[in-house]
Amino acid sequence: EAGVTQSPTHLIKTRGQQATLRCSPISGHTSVYWYQQALGLGLQFLLWYDEGEERNRGNFPPRFSGRQFPNYSSELNVNALELEDSALYLCASSFGQGDRPYNEQFFGPGTRLTVL
Amino acid sequence: QKEVEQDPGPLSVPEGAIVSLNCTYSNSAFQYFMWYRQYSRKGPELLMYTYSSGNKEDGRFTAQVDKSSKYISLFIRDSQPSDSATYLCAMIIYGNNRLAFGKGNQVVVIP
Repeated sequence: EAGVTQSPTHLIKTRGQQATLRCSPISGHTSVYWYQQALGLGLQFLLWYDEGEERNRGNFPPRFSGRQFPNYSSELNVNALELEDSALYLCASSFGQGDRPYNEQFFGPGTRLTVL
Repeated sequence: QKEVEQDPGPLSVPEGAIVSLNCTYSNSAFQYFMWYRQYSRKGPELLMYTYSSGNKEDGRFTAQVDKSSKYISLFIRDSQPSDSATYLCAMIIYGNNRLAFGKGNQVVVIP
């Protein structure tokens, strides 16, 4: 079974540009999560989408946004890039909440974004 | 105070030694506690998760939770070079689905 896939693997942008990162969840998963892993800061939660809706958002400015498509894949957009946005962006997927108390999040390999 | 504290210092141990990792947390609403392993250039993978205070074993791995002290631990027995990776603690509030991570410990097991 295919895992979570992300594209591109690497992305180089300059300050002020926009970046678009893509994620395809594991088949059957309806929830997609985005995390930022910046050097020295650890993994930080960005966004959670489920069934096409944004369910939760981390403490990031509005220039970080995203969406989930009807096939449950997702896109993360970062506008007006700043140098400190350089990081590994990880996507994870899980089954929808349902009546389960906990759903394991499976991570993709990430997109390495470098802002020059 | 950060929600989850994990001393991010690297750890080098000889093969066969016991590796001991720990995290503390400040938010008593956390209900589920996980340990993830992350190899270089890969995404994190779940090692273990626990809900209640106490110990949980899975092969060479033991996860320990003490909710009264807001302290969790991971022990790796008979460590192998293949255990060399970054280990991240994480925790979650039911229904929130936002994983809160520690900064991770890079573990190197020397043959």
